Amino acid sequence: EVQLVESGGGLVKPGGSLRLSCAASGFTFNTHTMHWVRQASGTGLEWVSSISSTGRYINYADSVKGRFTISRDNAQSSLFLHMNSLRADDTAVYYCARGVGELRGDYWGQGTLVAVSS
Amino acid sequence: EIVLTQSPGTLSLSPGEVATLSCRASQSVSSSHLAWYQQSPGQAPRLLIYGTSSRATGIPDRFSGSGSGTDFTLTISRLEPEDFVVYYCQQYGSSPLWTFGQGTKVEIK
Repeated sequence: EVQLVESGGGLVKPGGSLRLSCAASGFTFNTHTMHWVRQASGTGLEWVSSISSTGRYINYADSVKGRFTISRDNAQSSLFLHMNSLRADDTAVYYCARGVGELRGDYWGQGTLVAVSS
Repeated sequence: EIVLTQSPGTLSLSPGEVATLSCRASQSVSSSHLAWYQQSPGQAPRLLIYGTSSRATGIPDRFSGSGSGTDFTLTISRLEPEDFVVYYCQQYGSSPLWTFGQGTKVEIK
């Protein structure tokens, strides 16, 4: 059974940093592109970042470029999102999703809440 | 950037009825690049339809997708109680990689 479990969310002050993790199991992690998608309370979905199976190809939304860094550890079947210079509008539930390449996400974790507030 | 506009924002129907959800793109989208997700309250999105019309694993056949170019449709043929949630369309592009519609909420009339 495919499982994705996010962790690392919490309350952080504006300008602060946080590292999110996504532990994957039930599939061959190193053969899948992985994605982060976020959802602010009561609003829609926003794609944040993606990383190819080897880590060679990385993409970011303009809203996080230069502040967030995606990475992965295939030996540990883990995905990460390093978030710096956090702003109030980064407040959201962050989901990791297994990619069918870059096309779509076929399995999603339950999400971890990031709240940016003073 | 391709913008996806979903309509209506809220659809009020009764169990057993047919739901027709629309997703309109600001530019033409390849049929293979269009997907639909279902999201229940407090839950993660669940892939329903990919490639415009293919059902994801385990999705009941009352869910179907159609469309081409800039107009795409998700149809739920006989609404079950668990179908009264929010639906999003999503397209794969170059920048940003994914864009989502703003969602359609299907509520019980």
